[in-house]
This record gives sequence, C-alpha cells and structure tokens, in this order.
Amino acid sequence: SAVISQKPSRDICQRGTSLTIQCQVDSQVTMMFWYRQQPGQSLTLIATANQGSEATYESGFVIDKFPISRPNLTFSTLTVSNMSPEDSSIYLCSVRVGGRNPEAFFGQGTRLTVV
Amino acid sequence: RKEVEQDPGPFNVPEGATVAFNCTYSNSASQSFFWYRQDCRKEPKLLMSVYSSGNEDGRFTAQLNRASQYISLLIRDSKLSDSATYLCVVNMPSGGYQKVTFGTGTKLQVIP
Repeated sequence: SAVISQKPSRDICQRGTSLTIQCQVDSQVTMMFWYRQQPGQSLTLIATANQGSEATYESGFVIDKFPISRPNLTFSTLTVSNMSPEDSSIYLCSVRVGGRNPEAFFGQGTRLTVV
Repeated sequence: RKEVEQDPGPFNVPEGATVAFNCTYSNSASQSFFWYRQDCRKEPKLLMSVYSSGNEDGRFTAQLNRASQYISLLIRDSKLSDSATYLCVVNMPSGGYQKVTFGTGTKLQVIP
C-alpha cells in the first residue's frame, strides 16, 4: 500500500494568482499522477510526473498552466497558474502500487475555489 | 463511446435492500478491474478488486464478464453507511504501460 499526504486540503484564491499543491508519499514510486475532479464528474488525468524528466501531459492540459515538479521519488508538486474560476475543482495526486495489476492510491485531495 | 461507462444514478434504495451496479469498458485487452468508493468531499478508496472468477467480501460481490466487457458490483443488505459514489476503474494497455481509466461513478443513497 501507499500513504500520500497532500496539502493544502483546500484554498480560496483570487483569479490571476497561482497555487502550488504538494504530495508526499511514504515510499519511493517511479510515477506520480495528478488528477482533476470537477463537481459531479469523475477523475480526469492531468499529467504523469516522472522523477528526473519532464511530466507527460494529457490532451487539453499544458505545462505553462500546470507546471509540475518531481525532485525525488517521494515528492511532487502541481501548480495551477494564472487561475480563473473555471479552475475551481478538486485536485488529487495518486500513485500506483502492485506489479501486474497496480492499485491506485490517492492523496486526500485539494479543494480549490477561484473567486 | 466512453472507455468506461457507468450509470450515474442516483440509486435511492431502502436499508436492507440489495442493489447492483454495472460498468462497461471498451478495450477488450483490459487486464485489471477495480471498484472504488468515494465519499462526499473525500478521495477515492479501493473497495475491491475484480477477478475473473468473481470475488466476495462480506456483503459485497464483484464479478467480471470478459465476453460482454462489463463488471458488476452487488451490495446486499444495504446500510446507511454504504451511501457513496462507486467508481468503476479499469487498467487498459496504452503505449506500453497500464492506463488507469475511471468511470464517472454511480451514486448510491441508502434511505432509512
């Protein structure tokens, strides 16, 4: 299993500002994943963060808007830049454990409201 | 067609009832399947894995039908505490690794 500590748990931010979300894992993992979950929706993958290389972004998400850092195998940050009300959402980090049939574990989530 | 589809519900059932959810997936090469539970304002947590032979954990039974490409979750003797959103999760091969794909979730409300 894996235990992920994510912070902040929630924030209310002014439009045009940026927020950095942190995730700390209790074990070393190769990949960390960042998701967004909008109200009433399922999880949408933003990007995959690999240690030592640039993150891989999914369609519709770009590095300038969601820069990611992955300085070591237990830590990652996601920044939501130049925020607008449309960025209001829950942001979740995740890791996968288990070789052939990996199970996903999640941080507690960051509830972001942009006003 | 969505890669993983679920009926969003809500399913409103009385305490003690039996309720079943289905989830269909598009990629026949998918290899592993899970049901996650997400409480309001919380992160998803694994409820149970779904094996080809089916598996049971107390009041919960999960089954996989590869031929028809669906998985199911059966909850017997529903409790108020079962009220949550149930996410179907499928690991699909994609570019040499396993892509974790989430359904939109099925909302269950157990009523006293």
